[in-house]
Amino acid sequence: DADVTQTPRNRITKTGKRIMLECSQTKGHDRMYWYRQDPGLGLRLIYYSFDVKDINKGEISDGYSVSRQAQAKFSLSLESAIPNQTALYFCATSWTGSTDTQYFGPGTRLTVL
Amino acid sequence: DAKTTQPPSMDCAEGRAANLPCNHSTISGNEYVYWYRQIHSQGPQYIIHGLKNNETNEMASLIITEDRKSSTLILPHATLRDTAVYYCIVREGRGFQKLVFGTGTRLLVSP
Repeated sequence: DADVTQTPRNRITKTGKRIMLECSQTKGHDRMYWYRQDPGLGLRLIYYSFDVKDINKGEISDGYSVSRQAQAKFSLSLESAIPNQTALYFCATSWTGSTDTQYFGPGTRLTVL
Repeated sequence: DAKTTQPPSMDCAEGRAANLPCNHSTISGNEYVYWYRQIHSQGPQYIIHGLKNNETNEMASLIITEDRKSSTLILPHATLRDTAVYYCIVREGRGFQKLVFGTGTRLLVSP
């Protein structure tokens, strides 16, 4: 969905490096999410945010941190990247007033060597 | 845990209707049926959702049985670009629930 953008789209980094993935949306949604996808494991929720001041851990938050700089921006950081964080990362958004339908960005392919 | 059962794969000829089934026999009264698809390594794309009644939008139609234990996603005129993995998801329509993607149905549309 072009209304949800992610940068970078691809990133190769080395073990121990700090990495930031960014997500922006123009949909006017209040909720934002970060997921990772690994082959055969489906989507797993890392963090989610209901508004700028409400951030919650998902099922696999260890090794990650997030920042909700504004309603439209939600960043995911890997403080010290490790190889098993190699995955596809997706940002998603939804609106509280709807049936919470989530709309996804195009993804970031992260490789940690 | 996924609350749905889908066939692992289906084939469809281009231009024909693709009918993708989903069983959700344990669905509760306040749970919706959602459909998403994912084209290889792209972000999951929302298609449609419904509670009881059949629904139609510009992408697809959703037919839900009267007992709500199963549903069918219909792509009326499949194109090659519809080749993707299709996920049927059951979840409440209000409040927060993470999306749980099962294994889905891999639809291959051929010329």
